[in-house]
Amino acid sequence: SQKIEQNSEALNIQEGKTATLTCNYTNYSPAYLQWYRQDPGRGPVFLLLIRENEKEKRKERLKVTFDTTLKQSLFHITASQPADSATYLCALGSVIGNAGNMLTFGGGTRLMVKP
Amino acid sequence: DGGITQSPKYLFRKEGQNVTLSCEQNLNHDAMYWYRQDPGQGLRLIYYSQIVNDFQKGDIAEGYSVSREKKESFPLTVTSAQKNPTAFYLCASSGYSGNTIYFGEGSWLTVV
Repeated sequence: SQKIEQNSEALNIQEGKTATLTCNYTNYSPAYLQWYRQDPGRGPVFLLLIRENEKEKRKERLKVTFDTTLKQSLFHITASQPADSATYLCALGSVIGNAGNMLTFGGGTRLMVKP
Repeated sequence: DGGITQSPKYLFRKEGQNVTLSCEQNLNHDAMYWYRQDPGQGLRLIYYSQIVNDFQKGDIAEGYSVSREKKESFPLTVTSAQKNPTAFYLCASSGYSGNTIYFGEGSWLTVV
């Protein structure tokens, strides 16, 4: 069966350092991979999408890599700030029919950035 | 503002009751989804709909029902057949040409 693994333990880092979160998957060939941020009691917010034929994507302080051979994505936040503290969800995606997207989510990793 | 509105934010259900969670979007998206999230867990797909008057079961559809009579609306009913309904419920939508799924703010359902 399909499985997506994110580190269930919280990641604690110091402000200014680079946070690196990992997403590993098995038994899946996604068309794309997404990262979302979720704050407590709120809905997830889309951050970045990377397609299967792309190796790396950047957006401001965020960087995502996607290795389909290793079946792994890494999510980096450079110059981290306390405001980056949240749970980050990895989601593998495929297109369904003409109008839909099927996303399978990992359990998320909680990031805590200490001042 | 464009977005997805879920209501109510907090809902309490007695044993044996059916409850309905509302989801409305004004993004003109064709596809809509319902996910369930348990504490410390990832999101699991309950139902999804790609077009009006059509919907498909997700991974955990048992004990739930949906309707899609209008493009903007995708209500979820949690029936008494759902034995463990206490969870955080998230509605989402996506457009025809995009891969991004946009989420509402969620609804907390608690069985009392």
